[in-house]
Amino acid sequence: QVHLQESGPGLVKPSETLSLTCTVSDGSITNYCWTWIRQPPGKGLEWIGYVYSNGNTNYNPSLKSRVTISVDTSQSRFSLNLTSVTAADTAIYFCAREAFSGSFYDHWGQGTLVTVSS
Amino acid sequence: DIQMTQSPSSLSASVGDTVTIACRTSQGITNFLAWYQQKPGKAPKLLIYAASTLQSGVPSRFSGSGSGTDFTLTISSLQPEDFATYFCQKHDRAPYTFGQGTKLEIK
Repeated sequence: QVHLQESGPGLVKPSETLSLTCTVSDGSITNYCWTWIRQPPGKGLEWIGYVYSNGNTNYNPSLKSRVTISVDTSQSRFSLNLTSVTAADTAIYFCAREAFSGSFYDHWGQGTLVTVSS
Repeated sequence: DIQMTQSPSSLSASVGDTVTIACRTSQGITNFLAWYQQKPGKAPKLLIYAASTLQSGVPSRFSGSGSGTDFTLTISSLQPEDFATYFCQKHDRAPYTFGQGTKLEIK
């Protein structure tokens, strides 16, 4: 059973860059699509984007100008960078694996809360 | 982008009841719809994909139906562990938008 674990700072200052990493264990990172999804406290889910194991990416148009998602298959991990953050970016950030048979998510990390505040 | 509308936003029911949650999309997505269950402090859990295919390990009291723009999640014979928030998600093409959620509470 593949396991995903998010890591990174829990507090980021406004205008700075939010950086998170998701480490994949007990399963292969290759031939899968790896995704970041966020959830402001008490609110709904927002798809941020994905990176395929070959490095191809696709981002939510609402965040595209500020988002970069990358993969390091040698370290079995993928990362999220979100620039110029504001309080509106405060959320629980989840990493997830897209299922082999479609663009839905069958494995998730536990989530990590990132607060944007000075 | 395609908009997702879930209804109701909240729902009260009793153990043993049958409940239905609706998800409507602003454009047709054939059957590319998934449903998730989320409990407080936890990641969402995949229940159903392709509108009606039950994810492995999910109890058969969960069922999904619909195509095009209108979809439903039905939970039969509610169990105590089913009280949670439910989200729909389109999985036809990016962006893979989620519905705003339906909170199912104990009456």
